[in-house]
Amino acid sequence: EAGVVQSPRYKIIEKKQPVAFWCNPISGHNTLYWYRQNLGQGPELLIRYENEEAVDDSQLPKDRFSAERLKGVDSTLKIQPAELGDSAVYLCASSTSGSDYNEQFFGPGTRLTVL
Amino acid sequence: AQSVTQLGSHVSVSEGALVLLRCNYSSSVPPYLFWYVQYPNQGLQLLLKYTSAATLVKGINGFEAEFKKSETSFHLTKPSAHMSDAAEYFCALSGGGADGLTFGKGTHLIIQP
Repeated sequence: EAGVVQSPRYKIIEKKQPVAFWCNPISGHNTLYWYRQNLGQGPELLIRYENEEAVDDSQLPKDRFSAERLKGVDSTLKIQPAELGDSAVYLCASSTSGSDYNEQFFGPGTRLTVL
Repeated sequence: AQSVTQLGSHVSVSEGALVLLRCNYSSSVPPYLFWYVQYPNQGLQLLLKYTSAATLVKGINGFEAEFKKSETSFHLTKPSAHMSDAAEYFCALSGGGADGLTFGKGTHLIIQP
């Protein structure tokens, strides 16, 4: 079974430029998460999708960040414009519903460097 | 509010020695607790999870953890460290369902030959 796929793996941009990250979850997983991991820190949740609906986006900086999950499968996270402080690893995770807790499976992440 | 505290940003042990990584949590609801490992330039891999079935949880690669409600702790142990255990370890908490995870800041495990 294929795992969570993310692309690109690495991205270097100059500040004020736009950038987008793509995630393909594990087949059949209806819940998708985006996390941001700053250097030396644990991941922090940005947004959670149930199918195509964003059900928890309270930590997403909505002035410059946006996300979408069309058709409830793939998802894209966008930053426009990027700032120096956005340099981090952006992790995508997916899970399937139906239990008391949902075990999350993580992709390899996209490492963003903003110059 | 939920929080996870990992004591010690770096832990160094000799190969063959006991590994102990500490995790304390705060949660207003009964928690589900997880330990993840992250190797350089890779995503997070689940080591083990506590889901209220048993307080002593065994995971992959010889790791285990014990849930102690009275101490609000979920420390990770391994009897004998191997060089391949060198990585970043994260303790995480969930309130259940499809909630996002709350992570600690991580502990970098260094294995001395």
